[in-house]
Amino acid sequence: NAGVTQTPKFRVLKTGQSMTLLCAQDMNHEYMYWYRQDPGMGLRLIHYSVGEGTTAKGEVPDGYNVSRLKKQNFLLGLESAAPSQTSVYFCASTRTVNSPLHFGNGTRLTVT
Amino acid sequence: AQSVAQPEDQVNVAEGNPLTVKCTYSVSGNPYLFWYVQYPNRGLQFLLKYITGDNLVKGSYGFEAEFNKSQTSFHLKKPSALVSDSALYFCAVRDMGDDKIIFGKGTRLHILP
Repeated sequence: NAGVTQTPKFRVLKTGQSMTLLCAQDMNHEYMYWYRQDPGMGLRLIHYSVGEGTTAKGEVPDGYNVSRLKKQNFLLGLESAAPSQTSVYFCASTRTVNSPLHFGNGTRLTVT
Repeated sequence: AQSVAQPEDQVNVAEGNPLTVKCTYSVSGNPYLFWYVQYPNRGLQFLLKYITGDNLVKGSYGFEAEFNKSQTSFHLKKPSALVSDSALYFCAVRDMGDDKIIFGKGTRLHILP
């Protein structure tokens, strides 16, 4: 049972490049979340999904897009990366919104 | 919109002493509150939650938290700290009727041997 798997683990982008971060969970969870973690800022919610085919904006959605075409996958896209998007990105999933979140191990993204 | 504050960036405690990590929250309805811990270079792990019921909630690794509605607080506690408790601790809140789960900025806990 892999839990929540994030791909890739590390990535370096140049300003203006695009990329997609993949989050996959094998627990049949309905809810999935994308957070970014920055020093002194804690975890900030980017986007979330309450089920297949649904997405919603979080606290800091600008510059990011998401898709949840399959229940087990939640993709986070950066269309034109900026240095301000240098961060560690965490995906999390949960069965119900009152259940504990299960986190992936993170993706460390550097934008130069 | 819901929010959560962790007023201390860092807490230092001697091993064997009790520890408290503070958290206050703001919601428009009833709060659902969580504590998570992050060890170096890892994702977050769930410690405990308050949904309803008893104000004192017990969780993993001997941690507990006290919900105080009048003070809008949910402080994390442990009677006797271990060096292995050193980590980054996050408080999180969900407002009733909202699916967003919002985290605080985190508190780094240092347990001194």
